[in-house]
Amino acid sequence: QTVVTQEPSFAVSPGGTVTLTCGLNSGSVSSSYYPSWVQQIPGQAPRTLIYRTSVRSSGVPARFSGSILGNNAALTITGAQADDEGLYYCVLYMGRDISFGGGSTLTVL
Amino acid sequence: QVRLQESGPGLVKPSETLSLTCSVSGASIGNNNFYWGWIRQPPGRGLEWIGSIYNSGQVFYNPSLTSGVVISVDTSNNRFSLRLTSVTAADTAIYYCVKDRGDYTFIPDSWGQGTLVTVSS
Repeated sequence: QTVVTQEPSFAVSPGGTVTLTCGLNSGSVSSSYYPSWVQQIPGQAPRTLIYRTSVRSSGVPARFSGSILGNNAALTITGAQADDEGLYYCVLYMGRDISFGGGSTLTVL
Repeated sequence: QVRLQESGPGLVKPSETLSLTCSVSGASIGNNNFYWGWIRQPPGRGLEWIGSIYNSGQVFYNPSLTSGVVISVDTSNNRFSLRLTSVTAADTAIYYCVKDRGDYTFIPDSWGQGTLVTVSS
């Protein structure tokens, strides 16, 4: 079974840059998986930040960017802010279904 | 702007049927090319896609889920529904209804606020 993998946690200083990655237990993530990134602030509903690898959803600040880095999809936050703390999920289109990664917890301190 | 609102009982007994409805405003389910879906999140855990449906009734389900899941669409009332039969405590979760971008990937771009369903006697 194909599993979407994410690092469990990251920490970044305010104003710093952090890159979260999203991989597969077997194979590489490419743009054909339409990698997307979902943010969930504690106590809130999720919201989709990035779709189709690198397209920001309406209203998403420019400090969030998506890309393919090597064999993984990546979410980079440049100039992290305190209210960026939360969980970040990668989601991939698998053909006839979608699969979420386990999520990465981002701490801004 | 599309708005999605889940509704349904917050408590369901084990072995019974969980039924939720998602009411859609700001878009007509029957007159566009979006997939409408359900995603759930058990307490303290990650997101799990349940399935997505098109206005024609074509539906795709998570192959990892056991049988007993049915998603249906009601274009007349601009809503869609989830039924989960023979529920267990493992089905306790926040259930979100979602809409995709219209690119046939099921990946949500709009989310409801979510509704907590607890399975307990």
